[in-house]
Amino acid sequence: DAMVIQNPRYQVTQFGKPVTLSCSQTLNHNVMYWYQQKSSQAPKLLFHYYDKDFNNEADTPDNFQSRRPNTSFCFLDIRSPGLGDAAMYLCATSTLASGETQYFGPGTRLLVL
Amino acid sequence: EDKVVQSPLSLVVHEGDTVTLNCSYEVTNFRSLLWYKQEKKAPTFLFMLTSSGIEKKSGRLSSILDKKELSSILNITATQTGDSAIYLCAVNAGNNRKLIWGLGTSLAVNP
Repeated sequence: DAMVIQNPRYQVTQFGKPVTLSCSQTLNHNVMYWYQQKSSQAPKLLFHYYDKDFNNEADTPDNFQSRRPNTSFCFLDIRSPGLGDAAMYLCATSTLASGETQYFGPGTRLLVL
Repeated sequence: EDKVVQSPLSLVVHEGDTVTLNCSYEVTNFRSLLWYKQEKKAPTFLFMLTSSGIEKKSGRLSSILDKKELSSILNITATQTGDSAIYLCAVNAGNNRKLIWGLGTSLAVNP
């Protein structure tokens, strides 16, 4: 089945230790998004790729970086995680042909010790 | 500033009840409104409503878009405990491929 996959599902890291979260998709969608979601809050967009075109949100901290080596894969790098970065990280995809519907992966829950 | 407001923020009902969740929006260049269901994981897509598709139905769930009132409702009939979740409303406006999210309605269905 076509889908959005995120790995790992749970990630524990230490304060300041870099971490990379991955997202892959078999939908062949040209747009990929990374969101941060904290408890009882709506998803907060960090950045998105339209094909290889990277679009950063103005309020996304420099600590967060992303790479998209090809259509199928997208990575979220947190260079120096702080306690405030503990959250669920959601990857989503969409295509202009599907309108604006975004399809989400299962998420990665990040814990920072 | 574009915004999406959902009400109520939380709701507790008994199995078999019918619930109506509300979403209102103030955006520039409305394109579509989406409903998602979120349990203890990522949001699951329910419906997308546009000017050309203002009413959607799937089983016990249905949704209507009122472009005049700038709002949408999500109806769930004969609720079940499995309907317990947060229901998120999001609006796409403009051409920037981004969604504007409401805070969600937390629905609890008790047996």
